[in-house]
Amino acid sequence: ETGVTQSPTHLIKTRGQQVTLRCSSQSGHNTVSWYQQALGQGPQFIFQYYREEENGRGNFPPRFSGLQFPNYSSELNVNALELDDSALYLCASSLPGVSGNTIYFGEGSWLTVV
Amino acid sequence: ILNVEQSPQSLHVQEGDSTNFTCSFPSSNFYALHWYRWETAKSPEALFVMTLNGDEKKKGRISATLNTKEGYSYLYIKGSQPEDSATYLCAFSGGSGYSTLTFGKGTMLLVSP
Repeated sequence: ETGVTQSPTHLIKTRGQQVTLRCSSQSGHNTVSWYQQALGQGPQFIFQYYREEENGRGNFPPRFSGLQFPNYSSELNVNALELDDSALYLCASSLPGVSGNTIYFGEGSWLTVV
Repeated sequence: ILNVEQSPQSLHVQEGDSTNFTCSFPSSNFYALHWYRWETAKSPEALFVMTLNGDEKKKGRISATLNTKEGYSYLYIKGSQPEDSATYLCAFSGGSGYSTLTFGKGTMLLVSP
């Protein structure tokens, strides 16, 4: 158990729809990152939140957006879904600022866009 | 663009065999190298976080080494067991922040009884 929980575990959406994925970070971890893992690839960094502010972003379009709440839980929102958005979305939590910190992952949310 | 490469892509060994995987990463702007073990339908399990050149870490039958000057890390499994079957991911952190990871595609290990 990593202490990082994600919901939902699986969902199916139609192209053009919007989706919200949720993540509860490990207790005390104020840094949350989101990753997308497409088939055959390693996880790709989407963005990171630290103390409710976006703190870095990967090569993803603006229709990928997020939020972090005062309790450090986080949401990933994807608008105007495309077929290529079908992937496993992973949430990771950590303490900031130290390179040797362990980063903990949830089990992920499987998104299928049809 | 940061490039993290893992080899081999997959590996099939017999129970009791020892095995090793390679992860290569950029040697500049290095913060840390992370190894994860990932079983299907579970969350990636953190094995090691390595920060210093020459680091060697061990956890049971699994160990890892780090060479930051040449940009590679090795993961070793001694006496593989069927429960070691999983995908092993390495991830580089550097430049973009301590906790932003760039992953390789992983090495899928299958250990047969």
